Amino acid sequence: DGGITQSPKYLFRKEGQNVTLSCEQNLNHDAMYWYRQDPGQGLRLIYYSQIVNDFQKGDIAEGYSVSREKKESFPLTVTSAQKNPTAFYLCASSIDGPGANTGELFFGEGSRLTVL
Amino acid sequence: AQRVTQPEKLLSVFKGAPVELKCNYSYSGSPELFWYVQYSRQRLQLLLRHISRESIKGFTADLNKGETSFHLKKPFAQEEDSAMYYCAFQGAQKLVFGQGTRLTINP
Repeated sequence: DGGITQSPKYLFRKEGQNVTLSCEQNLNHDAMYWYRQDPGQGLRLIYYSQIVNDFQKGDIAEGYSVSREKKESFPLTVTSAQKNPTAFYLCASSIDGPGANTGELFFGEGSRLTVL
Repeated sequence: AQRVTQPEKLLSVFKGAPVELKCNYSYSGSPELFWYVQYSRQRLQLLLRHISRESIKGFTADLNKGETSFHLKKPFAQEEDSAMYYCAFQGAQKLVFGQGTRLTINP
């Protein structure tokens, strides 16, 4: 079954704790993205990566970190520095980079993070 | 600044009625625009892109450069059209999404 797999689907965290969200793709896509989805605010880009070992900040990168050690994996860490981490997080991939792609992103099912 | 605006957070129409979801963009060059859809309990997915000039599930969207709009239209709404719709704009380094419109089709 091809596509984007995000885990966990639901995650609870205490304040002050870091948490890592997993994103794996088997589509052989070069580019991967993390978006945050909040009601009434649409999707906001956190980080993106065009190739392995390279990534760039999006619009709301503060309090988040990522790595891209393998083409198929792009984990997102929500750190304790993120002021309002409770949200729905979406991972996506595309065939090529954001400046060149056709605009078609393939999304995972999302991870809902709740900070208690 | 590159921006996409969807003025309606919620839109409710009756089955069989025409539907129009509004999208306006802010960009000085030639834009590439898209509509994404998220049905209940499904992943966000591409619905259509303006360069393809295609009709998907009865939906069409025309780019109006004069009005900087890319409204999504369907002449006769179906109950299965109920979903969250996002207009998106291909910027220099990223895809920029609007705030989204939740469309509800009433029977």
